Amino acid sequence: NAGVMQNPRHLVRRRGQEARLRCSPMKGHSHVYWYRQLPEEGLKFMVYLQKENIIDESGMPKERFSAEFPKEGPSILRIQQVVRGDSAAYFCASSPPSIDEQYFGPGTRLTVT
Amino acid sequence: AQRVTQPEKLLSVFKGAPVELKCNYSYSGSPELFWYVQYSRQRLQLLLRHISRESIKGFTADLNKGETSFHLKKPFAQEEDSAMYYCALSGGGATNKLIFGTGTLLAVQP
Repeated sequence: NAGVMQNPRHLVRRRGQEARLRCSPMKGHSHVYWYRQLPEEGLKFMVYLQKENIIDESGMPKERFSAEFPKEGPSILRIQQVVRGDSAAYFCASSPPSIDEQYFGPGTRLTVT
Repeated sequence: AQRVTQPEKLLSVFKGAPVELKCNYSYSGSPELFWYVQYSRQRLQLLLRHISRESIKGFTADLNKGETSFHLKKPFAQEEDSAMYYCALSGGGATNKLIFGTGTLLAVQP
């Protein structure tokens, strides 16, 4: 099992562009979590998804951010019209059903210039 | 408000010295507490959780509900313990989202 995969590992975008971050959970895991880590801060919860459903998006900014976890394929975190303040490390974690231990991916470092 | 506080950004100790990484939390219910570790160039991984009451790599952590603390301890630090340590809590329920502290960098000097 390769573990949680995230790509790209590094992403550079100019202000106003769109950023798409991908997360492939571990085999057999149907739950995905996204966290954001700003410089000098801890990881902050953004959204929790199960296949085709958003369960908890209480940590997502109200505008420009969206997430999905389709029946087939990876989970996608999409940031539209990026701003400098979106520069951060974005981590994905997955877990199997009924198990609360989360397994983390290596993260995507987004830099907005 | 749910919060996890790790007061030390950096903790530097010599090899063989005892280690205590502090973690305090605020939560109105009965949280589950975790310690995650990130070694250099590796991904974040679970070190231990309070409900398992295990000792992992010589580390232990006891949940003190009276003091709302979950400090991580090891009697004799090793150089390979050098890493970033994050305390986290989960409220469980319908979502197991984790609330993280800001982390403590443990540097074990030879």
